[in-house]
Amino acid sequence: GAGVSQTPSNKVTEKGKYVELRCDPISGHTALYWYRQSLGQGPEFLIYFQGTGAADDSGLPNDRFFAVRPEGSVSTLKIQRTERGDSAVYLCASSFNGPAKDTQYFGPGTRLTVL
Amino acid sequence: AQKITQTQPGMFVQEKEAVTLDCTYDTSDQSYGLFWYKQPSSGEMIFLIYQGSYDEQNATEGRYSLNFQKARKSANLVISASQLGDSAMYFCAMREGPQGGKLIFGQGTELSVKP
Repeated sequence: GAGVSQTPSNKVTEKGKYVELRCDPISGHTALYWYRQSLGQGPEFLIYFQGTGAADDSGLPNDRFFAVRPEGSVSTLKIQRTERGDSAVYLCASSFNGPAKDTQYFGPGTRLTVL
Repeated sequence: AQKITQTQPGMFVQEKEAVTLDCTYDTSDQSYGLFWYKQPSSGEMIFLIYQGSYDEQNATEGRYSLNFQKARKSANLVISASQLGDSAMYFCAMREGPQGGKLIFGQGTELSVKP
């Protein structure tokens, strides 16, 4: 079946603008995760949804970052008043959280560049 | 304190030889999961192998095996019969708790396979 998809693949914006990044998980996966990966680093956790609710948002760096998953499928990561330090690849992953079966499968990422 | 440590920023291996990528972890949880992902230059994170903390046998998936030493808190990835297409970044990650939840990633090891 289809994997995790993310749009756009690239986003260039100016400092201070608002951006939305979209993630479409694997069909049937109940859990959805957002990570951020800076150059030369491993991915860093942002937020995790189980169904429609945020089960863990401890990784969101500040209140400029917000994410939703209103129908328990597609999720949108929203960044307000973007800063140059927000430039990174934003990765989305999904998993089916069954017993001993919670492998996260990643999408191709959205490369965000804030000028 | 680092929860996942990958001490080898870069590794070289000759084609068709085996290579071990090191990973140590730190957790006080009794139940946790350990994952390895491959990230080629294209950027996508590809799941390779999983080891649960209660699994008695080391995990294997084709040419990949995980050398799990619980007492030493290490989860090294062994790639047998290296191929040129194995050249990539490799990330070790841990999920604390029985299932679901965020992954904590190491800094990665860049593997280069020489012909």
